[in-house]
Amino acid sequence: GENVEQHPSTLSVQEGDSAVIKCTYSDSASNYFPWYKQELGKGPQLIIDIRSNVGEKKDQRIAVTLNKTAKHFSLHITETQPEDSAVYFCAAGYGNKLVFGAGTILRVKS
Amino acid sequence: GAVVSQHPSRVICKSGTSVKIECRSLDFQATTMFWYRQFPKQSLMLMATSNEGSKATYEQGVEKDKFLINHASLTLSTLTVTSAHPEDSSFYICSATGTSGGREQYFGPGTRLTVT
Repeated sequence: GENVEQHPSTLSVQEGDSAVIKCTYSDSASNYFPWYKQELGKGPQLIIDIRSNVGEKKDQRIAVTLNKTAKHFSLHITETQPEDSAVYFCAAGYGNKLVFGAGTILRVKS
Repeated sequence: GAVVSQHPSRVICKSGTSVKIECRSLDFQATTMFWYRQFPKQSLMLMATSNEGSKATYEQGVEKDKFLINHASLTLSTLTVTSAHPEDSSFYICSATGTSGGREQYFGPGTRLTVT
């Protein structure tokens, strides 16, 4: 089955700086890669996703890149703000299921 | 759009009792609904997948007789934790995908279950 590794587990950045979270997946059959933001006590919120036929996707301050050959995908957040502080999960779409990474706690210091 | 609700948001029950959690897609019809469990400071673990009118498919290691799932309509799925024990205490989250065939899963706000 699929396995997703996510790094780093925690990330502290200064407000206005960029944050990068990286994930690797194991199964080349995975073809859908969403990113979720989860605030304390709430359900995950889909923030951006990318399909395997695309190398990069951007939505305002958020971008995702995918390297299918290396089985890597990354989340980039620019101009971070305190409200970006949360836990971020990557996932790989395996069949109709999602396999999640372990999560990254992002802290944006003001 | 793509709003999923869960009820209740929090529930406390005594050991040995059963608890039902509802998951509803409010503004779309959900072809498939998923149930996840999340322990503190951990990732989401898929418990089961359900399609409307069909029996749920459970992940390996998840007891289907303990976690009963009913997907009665395109907008409602329920998870019943039977004979709950303290180790069942967790954050239970549902998600849904729409009938358009997209891969996006939209998550509910979660239900915090505490078994005393």
